[in-house]
Amino acid sequence: DTGVSQNPRHKITKRGQNVTFRCDPISEHNRLYWYRQTLGQGPEFLTYFQNEAQLEKSRLLSDRFSAERPKGSFSTLEIQRTEQGDSAMYLCASSFPELGVYEQYFGPGTRLTVT
Amino acid sequence: AQSVTQLDSQVPVFEEAPVELRCNYSSSVSVYLFWYVQYPNQGLQLLLKYLSGSTLVKGINGFEAEFNKSQTSFHLRKPSVHISDTAEYFCAVIFVSGSARQLTFGSGTQLTVLP
Repeated sequence: DTGVSQNPRHKITKRGQNVTFRCDPISEHNRLYWYRQTLGQGPEFLTYFQNEAQLEKSRLLSDRFSAERPKGSFSTLEIQRTEQGDSAMYLCASSFPELGVYEQYFGPGTRLTVT
Repeated sequence: AQSVTQLDSQVPVFEEAPVELRCNYSSSVSVYLFWYVQYPNQGLQLLLKYLSGSTLVKGINGFEAEFNKSQTSFHLRKPSVHISDTAEYFCAVIFVSGSARQLTFGSGTQLTVLP
């Protein structure tokens, strides 16, 4: 069990560019969550997958955001036409509530800076 | 409405002194409760969790928390803090309705341990 990994750790991009982040969850976990954390705030839920199915999206996830989890393994989060307001830490977490693992294990995050 | 409140944004305390970080929630459904710690530029690490059973739960690094259903609180305590405990602490709740089981976080408490 190597934990949750995220790549890249840091991303600087210019406004209007597209960016993609990757998350590799704990291999036995069937659920994968994406959160966004801005400076001085707690993380906020964006979306989650159960296996390969994206089952819920929050209102924070605008049309410029898309997430996938092909084959129920790793997941990608893409932001199109980035805006300065997208600057944040993007966190990925995994769990397996159906087996009683309700706690979520977090990756180190990807810090996005939009200039 | 379902919400999580951390009443203190910053808590300074001297080394070896006791500390309590407060967390209250508002909910009309059952809850699962968690405390996470975040060190600078890192992801979140689980300190402890309450799912059911004994209302006093012990976690890593000497931390413990008590679930008080009537007060809707889940305060975090440590009898003697160390410099290395300096970090941001987040209270998080799963409101057990629907299937998402996403975490709702408080805004965090910055614990600073002074020498």
